[in-house]
Amino acid sequence: DAKTTQPNSMESNEEEPVHLPCNHSTISGTDYIHWYRQLPSQGPEYVIHGLTSNVNNRMASLAIAEDRKSSTLILHRATLRDAAVYYCIRPIQGAQKLVFGQGTRLTINP
Amino acid sequence: KAGVTQTPRYLIKTRGQQVTLSCSPISGHRSVSWYQQTPGQGLQFLFEYFSETQRNKGNFPGRFSGRQFSNSRSEMNVSTLELGDSALYLCASSLALATGELFFGEGSRLTVL
Repeated sequence: DAKTTQPNSMESNEEEPVHLPCNHSTISGTDYIHWYRQLPSQGPEYVIHGLTSNVNNRMASLAIAEDRKSSTLILHRATLRDAAVYYCIRPIQGAQKLVFGQGTRLTINP
Repeated sequence: KAGVTQTPRYLIKTRGQQVTLSCSPISGHRSVSWYQQTPGQGLQFLFEYFSETQRNKGNFPGRFSGRQFSNSRSEMNVSTLELGDSALYLCASSLALATGELFFGEGSRLTVL
């Protein structure tokens, strides 16, 4: 079971940090955590992925709990263009089969 | 470099017809996967192709099929269309199986009347 659990929606203000949580309590030791986001009228867009330690890239940071049962996507300074649905995903190992949940709809207030 | 290209972007069909959607992956990418997105079910995996072979299949009826060509371009076909097949069909490509990042196209929006 590759299920993850995320809040249905979150709201934040422009230029403030945003922390998007994800629970994946049944994760195995070799499963990566991937985050994608989908802007309105577009296909999903890769954000970041990681296995154990925290990861950073130009878009975001990914903080993974020590027991790997949860993770948090961090947008350091949200902009209006970050308004999207964010998906936390555990790909089935060895395949490109992504199991998308309902994701978190992030609203950014100006 | 060019992204994933899907054609057509929009199309309207009637029940009982069949439809073929096309996906051109990013140059050099050999894995192509397909997803269906509907308001009620969200994003659901259809199938995945690598080197012209189907590697994974989602839980969809046999009316949904696909193939991949030697140049990695892929097509999916839906036969005997039903109203419930109305959806956004998304294609994603990656360099190989089990890589970290999928690149999605903008999708083909199918409306079945």
